[in-house]
Amino acid sequence: AQKVTQAQTEISVVEKEDVTLDCVYETRDTTYYLFWYKQPPSGELVFLIRRNSFDEQNEISGRYSWNFQKSTSSFNFTITASQVVDSAVYFCALMDTGRRALTFGSGTRLQVQP
Amino acid sequence: AAGVIQSPRHLIKEKRETATLKCYPIPRHDTVYWYQQGPGQDPQFLISFYEKMQSDKGSIPDRFSAQQFSDYHSELNMSSLELGDSALYFCASSLGRGRETYEQYFGPGTRLTVT
Repeated sequence: AQKVTQAQTEISVVEKEDVTLDCVYETRDTTYYLFWYKQPPSGELVFLIRRNSFDEQNEISGRYSWNFQKSTSSFNFTITASQVVDSAVYFCALMDTGRRALTFGSGTRLQVQP
Repeated sequence: AAGVIQSPRHLIKEKRETATLKCYPIPRHDTVYWYQQGPGQDPQFLISFYEKMQSDKGSIPDRFSAQQFSDYHSELNMSSLELGDSALYFCASSLGRGRETYEQYFGPGTRLTVT
């Protein structure tokens, strides 16, 4: 069975601080996909990134960066120089190729204080 | 760019009533997924359709049914509503099997309140 664990329930930082959101996953599949979604207070789910299990290259997109380590089954997300607009719940999710459903973690609520 | 459209955005029903939620996927997307997110919970997969056929099934109650139509829009029908069905219902769409993209793009959700 698949499982995604986001141990950090809530994180509070002050604007301009860097923050890392942790994600640990479990799967028996050799090919799988990892995702991060952002859910702002308005409620919608916004796609941020997809990472394939066979591609461990880290990725940077502006202030966002992702660190995928297959050896530790982790896919962590770092926001550099956080801003108030980054305040949201962030979900890590896992998908295998057989069943295209997303298995979500419980989410991490990030509050960025001005 | 066009996004996933869901209607209605808000719905209030009483116990034992029925509800129908609609989802219009991104143009050219042929796969639709339904998720349920209870208060303070993570989204839970209910059911998905690819090319108008059910492709995967999750924790969807027997009181719920869904289908995908020839224009690829999908409807989630919910009967004998219970208080516990109060949740945010998301529809997501993606390009289907055999394609290289796996991203699911979510609609804004329908907030269902059962009283």
